[in-house]
Amino acid sequence: AQSVTQLGSHVSVSEGALVLLRCNYSSSVPPYLFWYVQYPNQGLQLLLKYTSAATLVKGINGFEAEFKKSETSFHLTKPSAHMSDAAEYFCAVSGYYGGSQGNLIFGKGTKLSVKP
Amino acid sequence: NAGVTQTPKFQVLKTGQSMTLQCAQDMNHNSMYWYRQDPGMGLRLIYYSASEGTTDKGEVPNGYNVSRLNKREFSLRLESAAPSQTSVYFCASSDRQRSYEQYFGPGTRLTVT
Repeated sequence: AQSVTQLGSHVSVSEGALVLLRCNYSSSVPPYLFWYVQYPNQGLQLLLKYTSAATLVKGINGFEAEFKKSETSFHLTKPSAHMSDAAEYFCAVSGYYGGSQGNLIFGKGTKLSVKP
Repeated sequence: NAGVTQTPKFQVLKTGQSMTLQCAQDMNHNSMYWYRQDPGMGLRLIYYSASEGTTDKGEVPNGYNVSRLNKREFSLRLESAAPSQTSVYFCASSDRQRSYEQYFGPGTRLTVT
């Protein structure tokens, strides 16, 4: 069965510092992987996705993630944090779940704080 | 395009009351989903509808029912609300034939007292 582990429920960085949010997955089939962002009191918005093309994926707002099959990881990075990046981030993997391919399994989320 | 819309935005219920959460999408997607979000738990799938006319249980279906009214609309019903159902509920949709990415509504914040 597919699963997602996000290391660190809270991450705090200074403005201008590197953002690194970790995601490891398990999947018995080639996965599709996603990062979503949730701003306070809003729904989830897709940041980027990996669909078996390039292993380095660029998303919105300067974020990118690298698919590493050998490490079963899909970590999210941004070179320089902005105050507006403060939000909760969710990693998700597509999987065969409940008898159907195409559902997403979400990690528990990482809340990012950005200090001035 | 409005995307995925949900009503109501907020609701307070007493234990034992019933209510229906409404969801609609205007992206012509085949698949729709209901999730609940609780602190520290991420998103957990309640029910989904892979295509019009079908519905299936997700990870946490107990206490809920769903109806896929047509291709656009997917409702979630709580027949007898319990305090454990206090949560934020999100509806999402996707086009499974093209991509697995899901598009989310703004959520319904439900409190059961």
